Amino acid sequence: AQSVTQLGSHVSVSEGALVLLRCNYSSSVPPYLFWYVQYPNQGLQLLLKYTSAATLVKGINGFEAEFKKSETSFHLTKPSAHMSDAAEYFCAVSDNTGTASKLTFGTGTRLQVTL
Amino acid sequence: DTAVSQTPKYLVTQMGNDKSIKCEQNLGHDTMYWYKQDSKKFLKIMFSYNNKELIINETVPNRFSPKSPDKAHLNLHINSLELGDSAVYFCASSSPRSSISGNTIYFGEGSWLTVV
Repeated sequence: AQSVTQLGSHVSVSEGALVLLRCNYSSSVPPYLFWYVQYPNQGLQLLLKYTSAATLVKGINGFEAEFKKSETSFHLTKPSAHMSDAAEYFCAVSDNTGTASKLTFGTGTRLQVTL
Repeated sequence: DTAVSQTPKYLVTQMGNDKSIKCEQNLGHDTMYWYKQDSKKFLKIMFSYNNKELIINETVPNRFSPKSPDKAHLNLHINSLELGDSAVYFCASSSPRSSISGNTIYFGEGSWLTVV
């Protein structure tokens, strides 16, 4: 079974500082990995995805993530945090059966950005 | 032009009632899903339908019954609501066989259900 582990349920950074949200995965097959963001009282928005092409994936809002097979990691980074980045971030791994893609989510990391 | 839309966004109801949440997607996808997000923000798949056929059923109580009249719609009906059903329910869709977006699942805005 596939799984993801997000280290740190709560991360606080200063505005302008580096954002690093950690995600490690477990998969018996080459994984498809995703980061989603959820702003307060809103739905899930796709930030970026890894689908076995480039290992460094660029997403929306200046975020990027690097797939490292040797470390089974897919950490999310942003060079400079902005107040508007405050949200809940979810890492997920996909199991594609051909007729459905089943996402298994991590427990989420709440990003707080302070002045 | 919301890609995946679900209604209602907020629903407060009493225990024992029956309620439905509707979902529609205009992305041309052939697979739709229901996910549940509990009070601790944990997200878990409930159901998946492909072209109106049930594909995934993750040991959800029988009180939950999804219905897909066509591949663009997937509704969720809940009978005899219990306090523990309070959660956010997300509808989603994807096109697993697509070479472009196959594994990407697009989510709706969520339906906040509160059972009192």
